[in-house]
Amino acid sequence: NAGVTQTPKFRVLKTGQSMTLLCAQDMNHEYMYWYRQDPGMGLRLIHYSVGEGTTAKGEVPDGYNVSRLKKQNFLLGLESAAPSQTSVYFCASLSGRYQETQYFGPGTRLLVL
Amino acid sequence: AQSVTQPDIHITVSEGASLELRCNYSYGATPYLFWYVQSPGQGLQLLLKYFSGDTLVQGIKGFEAEFKRSQSSFNLRKPSVHWSDAAEYFCAVGAGTNAGKSTFGDGTTLTVKP
Repeated sequence: NAGVTQTPKFRVLKTGQSMTLLCAQDMNHEYMYWYRQDPGMGLRLIHYSVGEGTTAKGEVPDGYNVSRLKKQNFLLGLESAAPSQTSVYFCASLSGRYQETQYFGPGTRLLVL
Repeated sequence: AQSVTQPDIHITVSEGASLELRCNYSYGATPYLFWYVQSPGQGLQLLLKYFSGDTLVQGIKGFEAEFKRSQSSFNLRKPSVHWSDAAEYFCAVGAGTNAGKSTFGDGTTLTVKP
């Protein structure tokens, strides 16, 4: 099992450009999450999904969109990147069964110039 | 709403000394509590978790944590720190009834002196 993988690992964007971050999990987990991590701060939840075809807003959703067309994939989109979106993005998944823990991907570093 | 406070931004200990990292949480019901470790440029690794039962939980790498409901705390401890323990540590609170969403503290950076 690869667990949770994220593509790309690192990306540089110019302000106003768009991009999509891909998160994939091979554990048949129901729940998936996108977090961002900024210096000196913990992870903050952007969006999450409790199943294929569903998405919901987290703590800091503005400027991002997500889609979960397939159970194993959770996409995070930036339609018009801003320097404030420079961050490290982590994806996580959770089986949804009782008392399970989240599995995290390795992260994507995004720099918006 | 759930929240987590890690009062210490940065802690320095000597190698071989004991360690305690503090975590206070706010949550309306019995929380799920977690400690993660993050090395520079890396992802998060789960050290230990508390769901229910014994309030003293053991984790990997010789870490343990104690859940104290009366103090709303979940402090992380290690009796003897190794240089390889230098990293950033995050406490998180979550709930099984909240779509598994976790709220993270801002982290404590641990420096280990030789």
